[in-house]
Amino acid sequence: QVQLVESGGGVVQPGTSLRLSCAASGFIFNSYGMHWVRQAPGKGLEWVALIWYDGNYKYYGDSVKGRFTISRDNSKNTLYLQMNSLRAEDTAVYYCGKDYYDSGIDYWGQGTLVTVSS
Amino acid sequence: DIQMTQSPSSLSASVGDRVTITCRASQGIRNELGWYQQKPGKAPKRLISATSSLQSGVPSRFSGSGSGTEFTLTISSLQPEDFATYYCLQHNSYPWTFGQGTKVEIK
Repeated sequence: QVQLVESGGGVVQPGTSLRLSCAASGFIFNSYGMHWVRQAPGKGLEWVALIWYDGNYKYYGDSVKGRFTISRDNSKNTLYLQMNSLRAEDTAVYYCGKDYYDSGIDYWGQGTLVTVSS
Repeated sequence: DIQMTQSPSSLSASVGDRVTITCRASQGIRNELGWYQQKPGKAPKRLISATSSLQSGVPSRFSGSGSGTEFTLTISSLQPEDFATYYCLQHNSYPWTFGQGTKVEIK
């Protein structure tokens, strides 16, 4: 069955960087796009980024554009999110999700918490 | 960017009630909308894709309708396990955007 396991969250100071990982299994990873979605404490869902199956195209939400970079290593079945210049408002649970032919997210990981605080 | 306006933000209902949640898009998105259910402390779960396609394993009391700019999620007879927060998500154009969410609570 499809499994997505995020890691790399933690407490960091404003202005610093952090890299999240998402280990995928149970499907042909290099055939599907992958997403990051986040949820600030007590708030709604916010779409963060998408990377196509081959890594050739990447799309970002407005609030992270220029600071976050999505990438993937298809040889390791792993998705990444490099987060730079972190701000307090980036504090959230970050979920990775499997794309279903550009028509939504059909599987989700359990999430990893990122806290940006001095 | 496409804005998704979801209403109501919360509602109280009883077991057996019919519940309707609406999402309005700031511009036409054809049928490119999905609905997600999220329970506290859990990841979201997709209920419906492409406006009205029920995901495998999702009870038939859930249904979706609409097109263009107005979309609806209906729960025909609310069950105890349906108390959760529901989100719409448009995937017509990047960046994808979620509605603000509707929290369904027990009356």
